Amino acid sequence: DAGVTQSPTHLIKTRGQQVTLRCSPKSGHDTVSWYQQALGQGPQFIFQYYEEEERQRGNFPDRFSGHQFPNYSSELNVNALLLGDSALYLCASSYGTPNTGELFFGEGSRLTVL
Amino acid sequence: AQSVTQPDIHITVSEGASLELRCNYSYGATPYLFWYVQSPGQGLQLLLKYFSGDTLVQGIKGFEAEFKRSQSSFNLRKPSVHWSDAAEYFCAVGDTGGFKTIFGAGTRLFVKA
Repeated sequence: DAGVTQSPTHLIKTRGQQVTLRCSPKSGHDTVSWYQQALGQGPQFIFQYYEEEERQRGNFPDRFSGHQFPNYSSELNVNALLLGDSALYLCASSYGTPNTGELFFGEGSRLTVL
Repeated sequence: AQSVTQPDIHITVSEGASLELRCNYSYGATPYLFWYVQSPGQGLQLLLKYFSGDTLVQGIKGFEAEFKRSQSSFNLRKPSVHWSDAAEYFCAVGDTGGFKTIFGAGTRLFVKA
């Protein structure tokens, strides 16, 4: 049973560029949440997708956008990258919404912005 | 607003010693509470969860946690720590509206031989 898979695992971008991160949820899960984890910090909620719609957004600017596909996989897009966007981006999947908050995480995509 | 506080940035314990990691939360109602563990270069793994009922919950890898409503706490314990327990531990509260989970800043556990 495949767990949550994310790609790419590492990437380096320069300021002003755009990045797309991808996530496939755990088999049987239909809800995808994205989190940003800066160095030494806990994960911060970016947004959650269910039935191809954004259900809730955390305190992140519109430069952060997402999408969920009919097969439940998801993308996170960040435009006009800033140095402060350097972080580990975690995808978490769950079943149904509202959910209990029990999340299954991927290993993350480490983004470095130079 | 909901929040989670983990007062200890890092803790060092000897292998075989007992462990307690502290967690305090702020939430208007009875929350869903979680502890997750993150090993270096890994994603987060759920250790245990509290939704309702018995306030002492058992998790994987020999961990347990106790929900104390009067103290707004959900401390994680283990009677005997193994070297493989060295990792970062995150306490989290689930929004019972059902969308987001709020994490504390984490406690890094070091285990010495």
